[in-house]
Amino acid sequence: AQSVTQLGSHVSVSEGALVLLRCNYSSSVPPYLFWYVQYPNQGLQLLLKYTSAATLVKGINGFEAEFKKSETSFHLTKPSAHMSDAAEYFCAVSETGGFKTIFGAGTRLFVKA
Amino acid sequence: NAGVTQTPKFQVLKTGQSMTLQCAQDMNHEYMSWYRQDPGMGLRLIHYSVGAGITDQGEVPNGYNVSRSTTEDFPLRLLSAAPSQTSVYFCASSLEGGGSYNEQFFGPGTRLTVL
Repeated sequence: AQSVTQLGSHVSVSEGALVLLRCNYSSSVPPYLFWYVQYPNQGLQLLLKYTSAATLVKGINGFEAEFKKSETSFHLTKPSAHMSDAAEYFCAVSETGGFKTIFGAGTRLFVKA
Repeated sequence: NAGVTQTPKFQVLKTGQSMTLQCAQDMNHEYMSWYRQDPGMGLRLIHYSVGAGITDQGEVPNGYNVSRSTTEDFPLRLLSAAPSQTSVYFCASSLEGGGSYNEQFFGPGTRLTVL
């Protein structure tokens, strides 16, 4: 069965600092992996996705994530945080041929001025 | 395109009442799903549909019913509301099944409180 673990329910960084949000997954088949962002009182929107074409995936707003099969990880990074990055971030996994996407518990990112 | 729309935005129910949360999409997506979002638990799949006339259960289906008579609409029915169903509900759609590489598009959510 597939599952997703996001380490840290809250992460706080200073503006301009590196953002690192951690995600580990389990899947019995090659997975598709996603990062979604949720701004206050809104639905989720896609940041980036891994579909096996390349292990380093670039998304919107300067975010990127690297798929590491040996570590079963898909951590999200951004070199320099901006105040507008404050939001909740969800890692998600789906399996080839399946019909379900499983979401992690989410990590709320705070950005300090 | 309006994308995925949900109504109502807010709803307060009393225990035992029933209601329907509406969801519609105008992107001709085959796959639609309902999630509930609770603090610290992420999004949990309630029901999903891979096309008109086809629905199936997700992780937390108890207390909810769905039907899919058209490609566009996927309503979620609460049969007899309970306080444990207090949550934020999101509808989502995608081109293909939830197990594909296609992203899901989410509606703005319905915040439900059951007293």
